[in-house]
Amino acid sequence: KNEVEQSPQNLTAQEGEFITINCSYSVGISALHWLQQHPGGGIVSLFMLSSGKKKHGRLIATINIQEKHSSLHITASHPRDSAVYICAVVDESRDDKIIFGKGTRLHILP
Amino acid sequence: NAGVTQTPKFRILKIGQSMTLQCAQDMNHNYMYWYRQDPGMGLKLIYYSVGAGITDKGEVPNGYNVSRSTTEDFPLRLELAAPSQTSVYFCASSPLGSSYNEQFFGPGTRLTVL
Repeated sequence: KNEVEQSPQNLTAQEGEFITINCSYSVGISALHWLQQHPGGGIVSLFMLSSGKKKHGRLIATINIQEKHSSLHITASHPRDSAVYICAVVDESRDDKIIFGKGTRLHILP
Repeated sequence: NAGVTQTPKFRILKIGQSMTLQCAQDMNHNYMYWYRQDPGMGLKLIYYSVGAGITDKGEVPNGYNVSRSTTEDFPLRLELAAPSQTSVYFCASSPLGSSYNEQFFGPGTRLTVL
């Protein structure tokens, strides 16, 4: 079983819809990262969380440490949000190394 | 700032050849990382460095070597390339460890070994 599981694997939605991407993990962590990989391949960091909730523009990330679960929400989705969204956790027992999920491929239709 | 730069962008190697993937950052970050991304799989850590002169193995280090003689540069060496090393390679950096900071990624190098 993968230590980091994302769902759904693929998601297609209409412009304007509210999007939720989920990340579950099985290890103790010191932090969780959400990343965005553009269709051209570039990767940018969206959020780093260790508790609670963070918001940046139309993006919201939440984490529940007890349930070992995080969600990434996109409000008022737009075609430019089409990308692969990657969840990554920092395993607290492994010298600060990151374990990445396989990603959720999001496609927003105009 | 250029951020994290990687060269080359693309490369095709024959089995048994060697090459060095270059990575440089101009943000004075202590931590630097090399990852590989295979189709349909999550990123895997190859090697990382917490500062000049210090390197450590990640999850998939076999077939690779690194050095960190300066804060800015973190080259990845492939010796005796094999088809299993066909992948996209990303270099990243951060001021401190990933428990404390986001990572900044380079644009990637797409390597094919035939």
